Amino acid sequence: EVQLVESGGGLVQPGRSLRLSCSASGFPFGDYAITWFRQAPGKGLEWVGFIRSKLYGGTMEYAASVKGRFTVSRDESKSIAYLEMNSLKTEDTAVYYCTRDARSVYGDSRLFDYWGQGTLVTVSS
Amino acid sequence: DIQMTQSPSSLSASVGDRVTITCRASQGIRNDIGWYQQKPGKAPKRLIYAASSLQSGVPSRFSGSGSGTEFTLTINSLQPEDFATYYCLQHNSYPLTFGGGTKVEIK
Repeated sequence: EVQLVESGGGLVQPGRSLRLSCSASGFPFGDYAITWFRQAPGKGLEWVGFIRSKLYGGTMEYAASVKGRFTVSRDESKSIAYLEMNSLKTEDTAVYYCTRDARSVYGDSRLFDYWGQGTLVTVSS
Repeated sequence: DIQMTQSPSSLSASVGDRVTITCRASQGIRNDIGWYQQKPGKAPKRLIYAASSLQSGVPSRFSGSGSGTEFTLTINSLQPEDFATYYCLQHNSYPLTFGGGTKVEIK
């Protein structure tokens, strides 16, 4: 069974850091890019960034709103992706979701087909 | 950045109604779009990928169409469990962008 489980959310003060984890199981992690989205309370969905699979260089892309502050990484041995969030702002308060992407290998059928349950990050003093 | 304009932002409908939601892209995105359903407190769920392909396990009353800049999600014979918020998402180019969402409410 395919599963993505986020963890690491919580309450953090502005300017501080937090690291989220996305634990994957039930599929070949190495074949998939991992993408992070977020949703501020009562708002729509926003793309945050992603990391390609090692097969495609493991490179990353980020939204302008988080570039230079957030870093996505992955540990192939543990099938975990991370979202390191630095210099947090109140506007980063949101539920953060991870999802998988293997369209380069399997086509669009394997694009964002499974999502984690989300983890809430609250940035407040 | 590609802007996705979704309409309407909300609608009221009755069980059994046919509902149509539209997303317009600010530039051509081929068929690089998916449709997602989200219920309160839950993660988004993919309904449609590649503009018109039905996600496995999703009821056939859901359908998608369009190519280029105009896309449509149709729900035939709305069911009680379909009351939710729906989003389109383009993956043609980065940054990926969502439509603003359509909240489908009970009339």
